Amino acid sequence: NAGVMQNPRHLVRRRGQEARLRCSPMKGHSHVYWYRQLPEEGLKFMVYLQKENIIDESGMPKERFSAEFPKEGPSILRIQQVVRGDSAAYFCASSPYTYEQYFGPGTRLTVT
Amino acid sequence: EDQVTQSPEALRLQEGESSSLNCSYTVSGLRGLFWYRQDPGKGPEFLFTLYSAGEEKEKERLKATLTKKESFLHITAPKPEDSATYLCAVQADVRGGSNYKLTFGKGTLLTVNP
Repeated sequence: NAGVMQNPRHLVRRRGQEARLRCSPMKGHSHVYWYRQLPEEGLKFMVYLQKENIIDESGMPKERFSAEFPKEGPSILRIQQVVRGDSAAYFCASSPYTYEQYFGPGTRLTVT
Repeated sequence: EDQVTQSPEALRLQEGESSSLNCSYTVSGLRGLFWYRQDPGKGPEFLFTLYSAGEEKEKERLKATLTKKESFLHITAPKPEDSATYLCAVQADVRGGSNYKLTFGKGTLLTVNP
């Protein structure tokens, strides 16, 4: 059973560009979570989604950030007009129910 | 607000030298406490879930224990391949609320020298 997949693994964007991060959950998992890890900081919850529904986006900045988990295809975390402070590792996790969460390898976003 | 504090921030051991990592937590009601291992440049790898005080779980050289205020990750006779950052996280038991969120500590960087 393949684990959680994320792509790209590394992403470089210039200030003002858009970043799109993709996450394919483990087979059979219908719950998807996004976390952000800033340098010297712990992992912070951003958003929780189920198929076609955003359940909780309380950890996500209200502007420039959005997330979706369509009926078909991967979950997408979208960051518009990136700024240097968005540079971080973004991790996706999935679970079959809301207990143990299994993490992907992450996308390292660098904003230049 | 839920809080997780891990200590020490970094720990160096010689191969075979047993030790423990600490995770202190503050949460309104504990739904679960989770231990993960994270290698450089990789995502957290799930190790254990503990649900109630007094519970213990083991996996190879690792043993996790839980009290009402803290959890310990005991490492017995560690090997160099145990070197990693160990993360602790809690889920709060929030009726009708966000009981799925993981609140993480900053981790303990363990280095095991041969």
